Amino acid sequence: EIVLTQSPGTLSLSPGERATLSCRASQSVTSSSLAWYRQKPGQAPRLLIYGASSRATDIPDRFSGSGSGTDFTLTISGLEPEDFAVYYCQQYGSSRTFGQGTKLEIK
Amino acid sequence: QVRLQESGPGLVKPSQTLSLTCTVSGGSISSGDYYWNWLRQPPGKGLEWIGYIYYSGSTYYNPSLKSRLTLSVDTSKNQFSLRLTSVTAADTAVYYCARDRRLYYDSSGYYPDWGQGTLVTVSS
Repeated sequence: EIVLTQSPGTLSLSPGERATLSCRASQSVTSSSLAWYRQKPGQAPRLLIYGASSRATDIPDRFSGSGSGTDFTLTISGLEPEDFAVYYCQQYGSSRTFGQGTKLEIK
Repeated sequence: QVRLQESGPGLVKPSQTLSLTCTVSGGSISSGDYYWNWLRQPPGKGLEWIGYIYYSGSTYYNPSLKSRLTLSVDTSKNQFSLRLTSVTAADTAVYYCARDRRLYYDSSGYYPDWGQGTLVTVSS
């Protein structure tokens, strides 16, 4: 099983700042088969990025994904109030597994 | 626009069977364009993929749950279902149904469409 480790566990930033979230895999993720989700309290996750760097439908361009192999990054430029939530990475190259999440909180 | 809605008992006793159904509206399971998934999230914790089923009945399960899990599909009702046997407190979670697009004759593996989720508590 591919284990995904996200860092940091919690990130404290202010609206308008830039957020950088990391996801590291225990082995190489096939064909950059990595997705990112945002989850607000009491809601289902929302897909942001798939294929490591492709934005999902209706996702604003302040969200960008990068990386390959075992190291992936989600960058959010210009944080909006609705961006303060928990973020999960997910790999789908070998079965499907999720990271433990990064909580993005208001500083 | 597709809508997925989970339904089933909110409380299940230990050692019994957890059964949930996902009803799909705004799209047909029989179209063959999607795979139909179950995922779960224990309170305050992260996400776990449970498995998927295709309209034909073919399935792919999380190896950690495979021995206790059965997924089924009813195309006439546009529903798919989950059955998890011998539950324990560790199976307490919000259960989500979700769909992913069929891509190159396989599951794409990522989830743009989700139900709202239903909390299932395992307790006597």
